[in-house]
Amino acid sequence: GAVVSQHPSRVICKSGTSVKIECRSLDFQATTMFWYRQFPKQSLMLMATSNEGSKATYEQGVEKDKFLINHASLTLSTLTVTSAHPEDSSFYICSAARAGLNYGYTFGSGTRLTVV
Amino acid sequence: AQKITQTQPGMFVQEKEAVTLDCTYDTSDQSYGLFWYKQPSSGEMIFLIYQGSYDEQNATEGRYSLNFQKARKSANLVISASQLGDSAMYFCAMREGLHNQGGKLIFGQGTELSVKP
Repeated sequence: GAVVSQHPSRVICKSGTSVKIECRSLDFQATTMFWYRQFPKQSLMLMATSNEGSKATYEQGVEKDKFLINHASLTLSTLTVTSAHPEDSSFYICSAARAGLNYGYTFGSGTRLTVV
Repeated sequence: AQKITQTQPGMFVQEKEAVTLDCTYDTSDQSYGLFWYKQPSSGEMIFLIYQGSYDEQNATEGRYSLNFQKARKSANLVISASQLGDSAMYFCAMREGLHNQGGKLIFGQGTELSVKP
């Protein structure tokens, strides 16, 4: 079945540094990738939608200059958290849209970011 | 705007019994899809079941069934014969539009299910 590989699974970084999270579709082409953020015991909140070769569409309230999304190819989308602060500590998870499989969505395994 | 509501933050069920997790939704679209996902403590999102807005029959997948009441805009998940491994967070989600349009998936608040031995 379709697999989305998300790396790293866990990352600890110092405040003020940037962190890049990668989501790679291994056996299919992901024309659309969704990026979510999840705080403990809470829902998945959609941050942005990225389409291959075009600028990402950010949800209201999400700082596009802080959360940089790049979808340069049909198999790779990246989320970079710039100038990370402790309040950015969260679980980030990507989801690739693919018609026909699970009615459209395959999730990465998530990245737990801790900013110290 | 679409909205998904799960009003049960936590639920307990005895092993081998059935449990219903509630989900209501709001949308102005005629075409939409409803999903249930399971999220264990590892964080992965496990797809459980899907119901399309035009599907006349309630969806079933093994021990999971979706009680779809379109007029009431509810899509409750029923888990039969609960197992200890069913303990997890459960999310209801909705996509507006057809599945081949790649629309965004919006999630409810989640219900934490605990199965007691």
